[in-house]
Amino acid sequence: EPEVTQTPSHQVTQMGQEVILRCVPISNHLYFYWYRQILGQKVEFLVSFYNNEISEKSEIFDDQFSVERPDGSNFTLKIRSTKLEDSAMYFCASSGLAAGTSTDTQYFGPGTRLTVL
Amino acid sequence: AQRVTQPEKLLSVFKGAPVELKCNYSYSGSPELFWYVQYSRQRLQLLLRHISRESIKGFTADLNKGETSFHLKKPFAQEEDSAMYYCALSQRNSGNTPLVFGKGTRLSVIA
Repeated sequence: EPEVTQTPSHQVTQMGQEVILRCVPISNHLYFYWYRQILGQKVEFLVSFYNNEISEKSEIFDDQFSVERPDGSNFTLKIRSTKLEDSAMYFCASSGLAAGTSTDTQYFGPGTRLTVL
Repeated sequence: AQRVTQPEKLLSVFKGAPVELKCNYSYSGSPELFWYVQYSRQRLQLLLRHISRESIKGFTADLNKGETSFHLKKPFAQEEDSAMYYCALSQRNSGNTPLVFGKGTRLSVIA
């Protein structure tokens, strides 16, 4: 069964450095998402992406964040200048097209644990 | 504002006992409700959604609009049910919208 993959599984970086988290969504999916989970807190939506542009973003997704689909398979999240509070588990998800009034299932990757020192 | 509340951080039950994981939501529109599960060292995966009205691994959940609840139930817990369970909602009739998650409940089934 196809799965969403994410690399790396764990990234350690110094405050102020740029990081790029990578995701390969399921190949025939059209919607891509990033979520994050700070330790002990809930999974929070960051951004969704469809048809090569951001379709929705949360308040968390400020100018320090950007997303890109550089080729036909990868979907990346860049944090330009990391802060301590960016330390979290970052999940990528993908889904197909909604059918009728129903939301299509979102399939999640295993996550990248980002540690900012 | 959309909100999902899971009041229990941890729920411990004995094998064979009934399980109920509580989920309440706050949403002004017409929501679609989901339960996601995360087994140890595995990814988040969909367990069930209210629209399907199906039973997965013996679990069921009924949407109660009057009580704004979507509690997850299983009549007889198994050890392999031990996992983190997240209730989530999204907006219906709006295509693919983001999920809003609760904080999760860790279910521990004791042999």
